[in-house]
Amino acid sequence: NAGVTQTPKFRVLKTGQSMTLLCAQDMNHEYMYWYRQDPGMGLRLIHYSVGEGTTAKGEVPDGYNVSRLKKQNFLLGLESAAPSQTSVYFCASTPTESQPQHFGDGTRLSIL
Amino acid sequence: GEDVEQSLFLSVREGDSSVINCTYTDSSSTYLYWYKQEPGAGLQLLTYIFSNMDMKQDQRLTVLLNKKDKHLSLRIADTQTGDSAIYFCAESMKGGYNKLIFGAGTRLAVHP
Repeated sequence: NAGVTQTPKFRVLKTGQSMTLLCAQDMNHEYMYWYRQDPGMGLRLIHYSVGEGTTAKGEVPDGYNVSRLKKQNFLLGLESAAPSQTSVYFCASTPTESQPQHFGDGTRLSIL
Repeated sequence: GEDVEQSLFLSVREGDSSVINCTYTDSSSTYLYWYKQEPGAGLQLLTYIFSNMDMKQDQRLTVLLNKKDKHLSLRIADTQTGDSAIYFCAESMKGGYNKLIFGAGTRLAVHP
């Protein structure tokens, strides 16, 4: 059982570069989420999706875009990376809004 | 507003019980969760409690919920070195998309 898989696991970018983080889940979950984790803080929601073809803004969406073209995949894009986006990014999924979220292992992103 | 607070650090001796505390502000939360994060890993769901329950026990884990005081605790009996990790408390908000509000996490250190 793969669960929630995030790629890549690590990445170093230069300021202004773009990249896409991929989240894939094999549990047929409807809801998917992108969070960022910064030192001394809890996870903060960037964007989420309640089903294929839908996306919505979370708590800290600025500088990020997302797409959910297929139910199993949720992509997080950084169009022009900034040092403030250095963080650990977590993807999560859940089948319904009343069940626990399942998390991937994270992507560690450094922007120089 | 929505806020979840936890103490940042707890140190216990191996074999003792650990109690990790959490307070939250929003009385409309539906579920309250405890997640465990080991170094370099994602968040692992430990246990959760529905907001109309007072207590839940699961092997070495006991969750207590005091709705009046908006206080949640996680007790780990017979704490082992493998329990050393960061523990996150999170509340699920009523309505919408299973929005989770996380605390900053409590780092549990278990020493011999």
